[in-house]
Amino acid sequence: GAGVSQSPSNKVTEKGKDVELRCDPISGHTALYWYRQSLGQGLEFLIYFQGNSAPDKSGLPSDRFSAERTGGSVSTLTIQRTQQEDSAVYLCASSPTSGGAGWAQYFGPGTRLTVL
Amino acid sequence: GESVGLHLPTLSVQEGDNSIINCAYSNSASDYFIWYKQESGKGPQFIIDIRSNMDKRQGQRVTVLLNKTVKHLSLQIAATQPGDSAVYFCAVRGGSTLTFGKGTMLLVSP
Repeated sequence: GAGVSQSPSNKVTEKGKDVELRCDPISGHTALYWYRQSLGQGLEFLIYFQGNSAPDKSGLPSDRFSAERTGGSVSTLTIQRTQQEDSAVYLCASSPTSGGAGWAQYFGPGTRLTVL
Repeated sequence: GESVGLHLPTLSVQEGDNSIINCAYSNSASDYFIWYKQESGKGPQFIIDIRSNMDKRQGQRVTVLLNKTVKHLSLQIAATQPGDSAVYFCAVRGGSTLTFGKGTMLLVSP
């Protein structure tokens, strides 16, 4: 596929359970970003991966949130012990740059997470 | 009665009209600007970008205007269609990061 893909598209879970969200960036893109978007809100930055550099985790809201990027491609965002306030759309984006986080980002369709 | 909404600025236009959506930024060192369109239930879609060495750039039915003097960016959509209904937001690069605006909801009536 030519675009960023995310799975699952929807995830309903019970409070306290762990969830994993997956992102497949555009082939060849070196930068990958995770955002959270609550209803009617702007994009909340979570984490940024650039090549083999250490990720920028400055946006993660708590230590229940973590992310990995394996082989410089696929990324997984993990939320442990989910809370109802974690309910949101989680968006992944990738960017073709290899030098810094300031270039056009191409977004996936998002994963809608609902915590009951 | 009670109204529940997104609390985004909203622009309502008639089909066929031209639409203008605005974005203000604060960092005079910003050098790259992007407009995104986000339809309900979908991820943001890249529309058009412009660099600070330009003041106008045109795409298909869209034009972006940049006024660096007053730090203002606008997106013009010509002959707006119902399919243009979406939230539009700008992204601005200052240094090494992109900052995203909250967005404007465009509603197009047939």
